[in-house]
Amino acid sequence: QSVLTQPPSVSAAPGQKVTISCSGSTSNIGNNYFSWYQQLPGTAPKLLIYDNDKRFSGVPDRFSGSKSGTSATLGITGLQSGDEADYYCETWDSSLSAVVFGGGTKLTVL
Amino acid sequence: QVQLRESGPGLVKPSETLSLSCSVSDFSISRGYYWGWIRQPPGKGLEWIGGIYHTGDTRYNSSLKSRVTMSVETSRNQFSLKLTSVTAADTAVYYCVRWDYIVPSMREFFDCWGQGTLVTVS
Repeated sequence: QSVLTQPPSVSAAPGQKVTISCSGSTSNIGNNYFSWYQQLPGTAPKLLIYDNDKRFSGVPDRFSGSKSGTSATLGITGLQSGDEADYYCETWDSSLSAVVFGGGTKLTVL
Repeated sequence: QVQLRESGPGLVKPSETLSLSCSVSDFSISRGYYWGWIRQPPGKGLEWIGGIYHTGDTRYNSSLKSRVTMSVETSRNQFSLKLTSVTAADTAVYYCVRWDYIVPSMREFFDCWGQGTLVTVS
């Protein structure tokens, strides 16, 4: 059971917008910075978003990060088939003194 | 552009020690950053193992702490992971990463990843 809770899967049609949620607590997302990673099939994860809402170098502005209370959200607009991947949220948990990841969300572009 | 590459045995026997190294190219480990390890069992999610600074300061996942040792060799620009008393549950793809970890702000993220290496315990 992950400390951070993500939906197992989301889907949307090409060109549409999708959001992926990551629910935590005051010991992690609520008071610490979080990040988002994209893992394309058969490859290593790549950093997409850091410091809650900053896009990493080379990441298109179709990707965005936001926070509300103890939840984080990854938004992807203008969906493309190449966006099909697993997405993970990540942050530091102050109670555990450890990095924690969400369980991952599989994005399917219909 | 920073490149990381894992190396080590792909097969380890139960109860033995898993040993992996990560070679860093185009960036000196001594310049800063923490350097870490993350693993991913087949078909499952990501698990943080820990990280090490070039000075030797370490941060370990408490669930693995009793079995984990990390070290850094600045002269060879590489760092290493040892995991003792392995079981089938330690079968995973192991990634080495560059960890931008700033204490005490708790601002951190993994900005560079190796390609990963599959280690099977059997």
